[in-house]
Order: sequence, then C-alpha cells, then structure tokens
Amino acid sequence: DTGVSQNPRHKITKRGQNVTFRCDPISEHNRLYWYRQTLGQGPEFLTYFQNEAQLEKSRLLSDRFSAERPKGSFSTLEIQRTEQGDSAMYLCASSPQLEENTEAFFGQGTRLTVV
Amino acid sequence: AQSVAQPEDQVNVAEGNPLTVKCTYSVSGNPYLFWYVQYPNRGLQFLLKYITGDNLVKGSYGFEAEFNKSQTSFHLKKPSALVSDSALYFCAVRDDIKAAGNKLTFGGGTRVLVKP
Repeated sequence: DTGVSQNPRHKITKRGQNVTFRCDPISEHNRLYWYRQTLGQGPEFLTYFQNEAQLEKSRLLSDRFSAERPKGSFSTLEIQRTEQGDSAMYLCASSPQLEENTEAFFGQGTRLTVV
Repeated sequence: AQSVAQPEDQVNVAEGNPLTVKCTYSVSGNPYLFWYVQYPNRGLQFLLKYITGDNLVKGSYGFEAEFNKSQTSFHLKKPSALVSDSALYFCAVRDDIKAAGNKLTFGGGTRVLVKP
C-alpha cells in the first residue's frame, strides 16, 4: 500500500499521560500536514512541514503539542499531559511539491480517546 | 481569512435521483477549491478540485462541481445517486495569497444518505 500510513489507528489514554502518533507520507511527498477532526466537525489545520522544516503552526497547536519531521520523511505528533478535550481524530496528509494547487492525500487517522 | 460553509448538515436523496451538496466560501485572493469524501472509519478521499479554467469540474465516481465566482459557491453534484454514495462530504478551500499559507480550511461536512 503506497498511501499515507498512520499509527496507531486507535489510542486510549488516561488524562495527564503523553501520547505520540506517527505518520508515514506517500514516498517522495515533501509536504506533510496534520489536522484534527472532532465528532461532527470538519478537519482543522494544526501544522505543516515542507521537508523537515515546520513552516506553519495553527493557534490550535498549544504548547502541549509538538510535531517533528526529523529527516523529511515520517512525522510524529506528540501531545503532553493529555486532556479530555484532546479526544479527536488526528489526520495526516501529504502532497508533492509539483505545484501550489496539488491536492493532499489523507491517511486513515489516529483516533485518540482521553479518559 | 479563508472560510467555508456547508449549509446542510444532511442531504437525503432517493437512489437514481440527482444529488447536490452545497458549499460557499470566502477568501481574500483567488480560491483553490476541493471536495473530499469520508466513509466511516476511513480517511478523507479526494474527489475533485477547481484551480482555474472551466467552471465545471469533473471528478471521481461520476461527481462534478460548478465554480461560481459571483456567488462564491462550489456545489457538488451527481446526476444519479447510488446507495454507495452515502458518506460524509467535505468542501475545502485554500487562498492563493502567500499570507494564507498552505493550509486547507474545511467546511463542517454534509452527510449524504441515499435510500434505495
């Protein structure tokens, strides 16, 4: 499967714990995005990487959230001291830098439940 | 700031009838517009996009969308709906001005239910 891969698919954690999600983009896609989707809502932008550089961050990305893409390939999203409000689907997407209007390809997401 | 509105939370249609899902947008510059579909426990799948050129855009699975600049709309259409089209549909926009960055802004989604 050459699509965007996200792991784990589901994560249940206790409030206050740290969690880390991984995203493997489509090979050779140098743009990578993280979005958050809560029940009944559309995805909300969190952050964007071009290669290893984090170029945009949403105000939604509080200081408890950190994202990395150390070698310009896979990316991780870490949430520290999780809160119940962090419960959501976390979506990763990637796109090639062929042109500015290329569509993004989404993974199946990681569903986080904070109890 | 860029924004998208999908005024209908749900659209019900009988199989074989035309399907329309509405979307309006707001941007500072020119819009790049996208439609995605989401099936249960799945990620978003790209359907079609408008960048420039012909206002009528054709996409996957028989879907098409019409860009209307004066009405700032990008409604999704399918001439004859199938039961398998039942899913959650999202409209998204990206502003072409540099200050807007690369992010997509999504609407709240419209659930489509096609009844046999």
